[in-house]
Amino acid sequence: QKEVEQDPGPLSVPEGAIVSLNCTYSNSAFQYFMWYRQYSRKGPELLMYTYSSGNKEDGRFTAQVDKSSKYISLFIRDSQPSDSATYLCAMTPSDGYNKLIFGAGTRLAVHP
Amino acid sequence: KAGVTQTPRYLIKTRGQQVTLSCSPISGHRSVSWYQQTPGQGLQFLFEYFSETQRNKGNFPGRFSGRQFSNSRSEMNVSTLELGDSALYLCASRAQETQYFGPGTRLLVL
Repeated sequence: QKEVEQDPGPLSVPEGAIVSLNCTYSNSAFQYFMWYRQYSRKGPELLMYTYSSGNKEDGRFTAQVDKSSKYISLFIRDSQPSDSATYLCAMTPSDGYNKLIFGAGTRLAVHP
Repeated sequence: KAGVTQTPRYLIKTRGQQVTLSCSPISGHRSVSWYQQTPGQGLQFLFEYFSETQRNKGNFPGRFSGRQFSNSRSEMNVSTLELGDSALYLCASRAQETQYFGPGTRLLVL
């Protein structure tokens, strides 16, 4: 079993929809949680970074961490065609934040 | 600030050859990590360098090696290439708890 599980999708939604992306993990040592967006043939781009349980909001993006359930989510409000990309969750323990463990990535397509 | 840069962007090699990839981190960042991305295995950690020292290593064979120079630029080397080494190789530089990725080098082994 992988340390980080993420549904690869693909997920197809209409423009303006609310998108929910999720990851579960098994290692309770994970302390830092990140979401990256990766466009085709590009490197991953950091979207959100959280440390504690709870919500963190940045524009149309909200990251949610539930450490008791070992579950993290990324919500995208008012989704746009430009949001079409692969979304990767990543996490690391507090003593190893130089080594990120990634989920498989979820492919998202937002159609006009 | 300029982002992470990687050279070359694309590379074609044949089995048995060796390859060297280069990464220049964001100015002021001293930590550089390398990752391999493939459709089957996703993004996997290779190793991390800080101040010219390897601090952490992933589960890859010894054919994969790296080094870091005094100006924080890093190189990774893969010897005796295998078909399965075809991948996107990503370099990331770190500021505190966050890592910023370069565009990657796409390696194709024939």
